[in-house]
Amino acid sequence: DAGVTQSPTHLIKTRGQQVTLRCSPISGHKSVSWYQQVLGQGPQFIFQYYEKEERGRGNFPDRFSARQFPNYSSELNVNALLLGDSALYLCASSVLGQGQNEQFFGPGTRLTVL
Amino acid sequence: QKEVEQDPGPLSVPEGAIVSLNCTYSNSAFQYFMWYRQYSRKGPELLMYTYSSGNKEDGRFTAQVDKSSKYISLFIRDSQPSDSATYLCAMRKTSYDKVIFGPGTSLSVIP
Repeated sequence: DAGVTQSPTHLIKTRGQQVTLRCSPISGHKSVSWYQQVLGQGPQFIFQYYEKEERGRGNFPDRFSARQFPNYSSELNVNALLLGDSALYLCASSVLGQGQNEQFFGPGTRLTVL
Repeated sequence: QKEVEQDPGPLSVPEGAIVSLNCTYSNSAFQYFMWYRQYSRKGPELLMYTYSSGNKEDGRFTAQVDKSSKYISLFIRDSQPSDSATYLCAMRKTSYDKVIFGPGTSLSVIP
């Protein structure tokens, strides 16, 4: 079975630009979460979506937004990019609604803001 | 005080050694505890997932949770060079809640 997939793998943007990151969850998983991981730190929670509804939001500015589609894939949008947005953006999927809801991560999208 | 603390290392051990990785946390509401392994420039890989206090073993890995001390551990027996990675502890209040990660411990296993 395919794991969580993310695209693109790498991205270079300049300050002020906008970026869209994409995630496809594991087949059968209905929940997607987004995390930001700055070099040398653990992932920080940004959003959780379940059945196209936002279920949780971390302490990130309104420049960050996300959505989930009927096929459970998801997009993360970041507007007005800042140098500090440079990070590895991770998507995690889980079944949710059953059992312990383990989260499985994708390989991430590495965003560099110049 | 951060919610989850973890010694960042780096930790360097010889092949075959027993490795002990630890995290402390401040929020007594955490009930679910996880350990992830992250290789350089890759996404985290779930190693262990435990609920409440107690031990859980899976092959060379053993996870321990002591909720009374707010302390969790991961033990790796017979460590291998392929175990060289960053180990992230993580926890959540409910099975639906966001996951809070520690900063990670970098481990190198020397052949």
